[in-house]
Amino acid sequence: GAGVSQSPRYKVAKRGQDVALRCDPISGHVSLFWYQQALGQGPEFLTYFQNEAQLDKSGLPSDRFFAERPEGSVSTLKIQRTQQEDSAVYLCASSARDRTEAFFGQGTRLTVV
Amino acid sequence: DAKTTQPTSMDCAEGRAANLPCNHSTISGNEYVYWYRQIHSQGPQYIIHGLKNNETNEMASLIITEDRKSSTLILPHATLRDTAVYYCIVLSGNTPLVFGKGTRLSVIA
Repeated sequence: GAGVSQSPRYKVAKRGQDVALRCDPISGHVSLFWYQQALGQGPEFLTYFQNEAQLDKSGLPSDRFFAERPEGSVSTLKIQRTQQEDSAVYLCASSARDRTEAFFGQGTRLTVV
Repeated sequence: DAKTTQPTSMDCAEGRAANLPCNHSTISGNEYVYWYRQIHSQGPQYIIHGLKNNETNEMASLIITEDRKSSTLILPHATLRDTAVYYCIVLSGNTPLVFGKGTRLSVIA
């Protein structure tokens, strides 16, 4: 496909369970971003990669959140020991280079019960 | 923290122009103004961006004041599909997009 692809689209996790969310950026895009969006709020920045390097992880809310992009393409956001407050839509975006438009995926809706 | 101020919500009649204002009084010389929108249950979508000149593309026009402290996004002929939350974002270099609360635009038939 031509766009950013995220999987799964929906995930229900029991509290305490670990989850892994996948993002397939547009081929060749250097920059990759993860955002968290709570209901009724704007997206909140989590972390940013340029190729395989994680340049900014200041938005990760706790050490339970971990992101990787080992080969500079696909990225995985992992949340350990999920809690109810982790329930949100997790958005991934990619862009070709600085100051060009970012393309967003449709997001993964995580519900922790 | 978002560097922009936008009205919480606006209504617009279908077929009319929608003018969405944004204040960014602390913008610095190397910062661009970007607009994105988010339709319900979708990821944000890029609309347009500019530095100091007015810009137009197939989706919208962006008018930036001479002092660059404010801008207006114009959708010339709003349709029901333009109903969305519109985000005005100030951005420089390789810093990630920082979203505020945006303006919820409702296009009414």
